[in-house]
This record gives sequence, C-alpha cells and structure tokens, in this order.
Amino acid sequence: AQSVTQLDSQVPVFEEAPVELRCNYSSSVSVYLFWYVQYPNQGLQLLLKYLSGSTLVESINGFEAEFNKSQTSFHLRKPSVHISDTAEYFCAVIRGGSYIPTFGRGTSLIVHP
Amino acid sequence: DAGVIQSPRHEVTEMGQEVTLRCKPISGHNSLFWYRQTMMRGLELLIYFNNNVPIDDSGMPEDRFSAKMPNASFSTLKIQPSEPRDSAVYFCASSFFTSGGTDTQYFGPGTRLTVL
Repeated sequence: AQSVTQLDSQVPVFEEAPVELRCNYSSSVSVYLFWYVQYPNQGLQLLLKYLSGSTLVESINGFEAEFNKSQTSFHLRKPSVHISDTAEYFCAVIRGGSYIPTFGRGTSLIVHP
Repeated sequence: DAGVIQSPRHEVTEMGQEVTLRCKPISGHNSLFWYRQTMMRGLELLIYFNNNVPIDDSGMPEDRFSAKMPNASFSTLKIQPSEPRDSAVYFCASSFFTSGGTDTQYFGPGTRLTVL
C-alpha cells in the first residue's frame, strides 16, 4: 500500500517570495509522482509529473519538483510566487504497475499582495 | 476538445431523494474515475472504469451508491437514497490508459451536491 503526506495544510506567503510545498510518500516499490493544482471552483489540473530520468521536473509556469528517493519526497518549489498561484495543490503517487493514484490531503497556497 | 464535462454543476436535494450525476469523458480516453472531495476526508476515489468495465469499486461507500458506464462517452453516478453526509463535490476524471500509472488524469469541473 502507498500513502502520501502533505505536511502543511496551508502555506501563506507574500507575492514574489519563494515557496516550498512538501510531499512525502511511502511505498515499497517504484512509484510515479504527480503534482496537481486546483483553482477555486474548478477540477484538478496536472502541474507536473515524475516518471523516470532526471529527478528534477519543471512546469511551464515556473514550478519545479525534485524526486528524492532516499528521502521519499517530491517537494514542489517556486522561486517567486504570484497572486494567481493561490490555489490548492495536491501531491499524488501511483505505484509502478498500478493505475490508481493516491492523493495527499492538499496544501492551500495563499499568496498575499 | 471541450475537456471532461460534468452535469449538473450544482445539485440541491432533500434527504431520501435519488441523485444522478453525469460525466462525459474526453473523446478517445479509455479510463474513467469518479472521486468525492470533502473537507473532512479530502479526495477519495470511488470507482474506476477501464474500457467501460468497472475495475475497482472498493471506494464506493455503500450500496446506496452505484455507477455505470454504458459506453465510452458517458458515465453516471447514482445515489439512492441520498443522505446529508453525501454532501460533497463529486469529480469525474478521464485518462488514456497505456502502460499503467504514467497517464495524466483530466478532471471535470465537479458537481457540488448538497443534501438537505
């Protein structure tokens, strides 16, 4: 069985400041890792994913996440946030060979002007 | 592509009534997921279909919940009878299943259900 822990339920930050949203997973086998974003009153959208290869993956809007196998982590970072980044962020894990994702409880990123 | 379409967007009903939620997946996708999202429990997978066949329904809360996928372009989630604790946002998501696990899920906008 796999589980996902998002350690922070809410992260307030000022505009243009850096941010890190933490995600840890537990699985005894290889995994695929995802970050989804949910804007208010919308469904989840894929932000980025790690499948294999380079452990650092990037999104088109400046977010990046690094797969750390030894730490079983996949933290999401952005060097400078915008007001428009205010949203709920979900980390998800799929065990290799499976098809069903396990989602974390989500982290609410609140960007203040 | 219009994306995943869900209807209705909002549903308010009284306890004991039947509720039917509808989903149209993205054309060409062969996997469909129903999720429920609440503040208390977060995002929960209810059921997963692959090629219109239910593969995993272990997340369906109880017999009051049922889901069907009569064809590749339509799925329903029915609650009968509904209870106040069923109040939640219900999401439908679709993907194209390939090697398993690497596929991006595309979510619909959700149906916000309120049972009075």
